[in-house]
Amino acid sequence: GENVEQHPSTLSVQEGDSAVIKCTYSDSASNYFPWYKQELGKRPQLIIDIRSNVGEKKDQRIAVTLNKTAKHFSLHITETQPEDSAVYFCAAHGDAGGTSYGKLTFGQGTILTVHP
Amino acid sequence: EAQVTQNPRYLITVTGKKLTVTCSQNMNHEYMSWYRQDPGLGLRQIYYSMNVEVTDKGDVPEGYKVSRKEKRNFPLILESPSPNQTSLYFCASSLEGGNTEAFFGQGTRLTVV
Repeated sequence: GENVEQHPSTLSVQEGDSAVIKCTYSDSASNYFPWYKQELGKRPQLIIDIRSNVGEKKDQRIAVTLNKTAKHFSLHITETQPEDSAVYFCAAHGDAGGTSYGKLTFGQGTILTVHP
Repeated sequence: EAQVTQNPRYLITVTGKKLTVTCSQNMNHEYMSWYRQDPGLGLRQIYYSMNVEVTDKGDVPEGYKVSRKEKRNFPLILESPSPNQTSLYFCASSLEGGNTEAFFGQGTRLTVV
C-alpha cells in the first residue's frame, strides 16, 4: 500500500519568514496530493491541492510543488503570520492500477508555530 | 448549511461494549471515509466507501465495521472495543472519490477503559 512520510514533525519560524514542509510517497500511481490545516481542537480543512499532471500551484501565500519522478511534494508558506500556526498534513490518493486505489493516505503531520 | 455531522462528540465506554458512531452528510457526496487520529501518527484511514453498498478497507480496519446503506450515512461500528481503540475519530465526505476535497466532521473523542 501507499506510504507517506512527512518532515519535519515540528517547525518553528518567526513571523514573516517562510516555512517549507516536505512529503514523500511510495505509490507511483498516486494522482492527487492535498494539504490540510488543522487548528487546535478543530477539524482538518483543505488549504491547497495538486494533481499529478501539474508541477506547481499557488494560492496567495501558499504554494505546492510536485516532483513525480522523485515522488515528493512540498508545501511552501511565505510571509508567515501567527494565524498560520497549526498542524499541517499532506496526503496522497491512490489511482487505479496502483496498490492503494481509492485510499487517501496522510502523512504524520507537522506542527507549525509562528512566533510574533 | 453543507456539513458532515458526527455523533457523539465525546464517548467513554468500557471494553467489550458495542458502540456505533454515526456520520451523516447533506452534500450528496459519493465518497465517505473514517479516520482515526493519534499523536505522531497523523490521520489513518479505517474504511472508505466510494458509493452506496460499496465499502473497502483502509490502512487500519481491524476491530471496526462500517455500512453504507444510504448515500448520506456512514456509521462506524466497534463490535468489541478495546483500550487501543481510544482515539480521536473523524468522518469525512468528498464529492467524487478520494481525489476531491474532503469535508470533515467535528470529530468524536472515544475513550475505552
